[in-house]
Amino acid sequence: AQTVTQSQPEMSVQEAETVTLSCTYDTSENNYYLFWYKQPPSRQMILVIRQEAYKQQNATENRFSVNFQKAAKSFSLKISDSQLGDTAMYFCAFMKHGNYGGATNKLIFGTGTLLAVQP
Amino acid sequence: SAVISQKPSRDICQRGTSLTIQCQVDSQVTMMFWYRQQPGQSLTLIATANQGSEATYESGFVIDKFPISRPNLTFSTLTVSNMSPEDSSIYLCSVDPFGETQYFGPGTRLLVL
Repeated sequence: AQTVTQSQPEMSVQEAETVTLSCTYDTSENNYYLFWYKQPPSRQMILVIRQEAYKQQNATENRFSVNFQKAAKSFSLKISDSQLGDTAMYFCAFMKHGNYGGATNKLIFGTGTLLAVQP
Repeated sequence: SAVISQKPSRDICQRGTSLTIQCQVDSQVTMMFWYRQQPGQSLTLIATANQGSEATYESGFVIDKFPISRPNLTFSTLTVSNMSPEDSSIYLCSVDPFGETQYFGPGTRLLVL
């Protein structure tokens, strides 16, 4: 069974600074996807970034980037130039690579990291 | 991506009653997912709903408690039956249009008194 671990329940960062959120996972699968989702106080789950395990290049989306270490089963999220709107709960998630319409494509979530961006 | 709406956005219900939550997507999708997020917790998958077949439930969730309908490729409902205060949670639906990324609806916040 797959597991996702986020060891930082809460973090704080000053506006315009950089912060890194940690995530480790355990799986015997070779093909899978990893995600970071953001859940602000509005409770909407918003996709931040996605990484395909077979790609060595780390994914980047504007101020958000990941450090994907497949051998170490580590998937950290770096937020650069932090903004007040980045304040949210951040969830790391794992999904097996499955045949579309076949496997359930179930998402396994970590427990989340609450990030507070301070003015 | 996909645009997903849920109704109601929130509700307060009495124990012993049932609530049906609707999920509407702006495009046709094969699989829809229902998650529960208990207060202060992460998300847990309740079931996967494929159009034209019975929903597949995760361990710990049963059809009698959480019946799901999937009448077409853009719509699904989740019913929370015979509610108790332990059912107070946020319920979210999601879709995976291409089998590689799930997108979530805004959630339904349920409080059971």
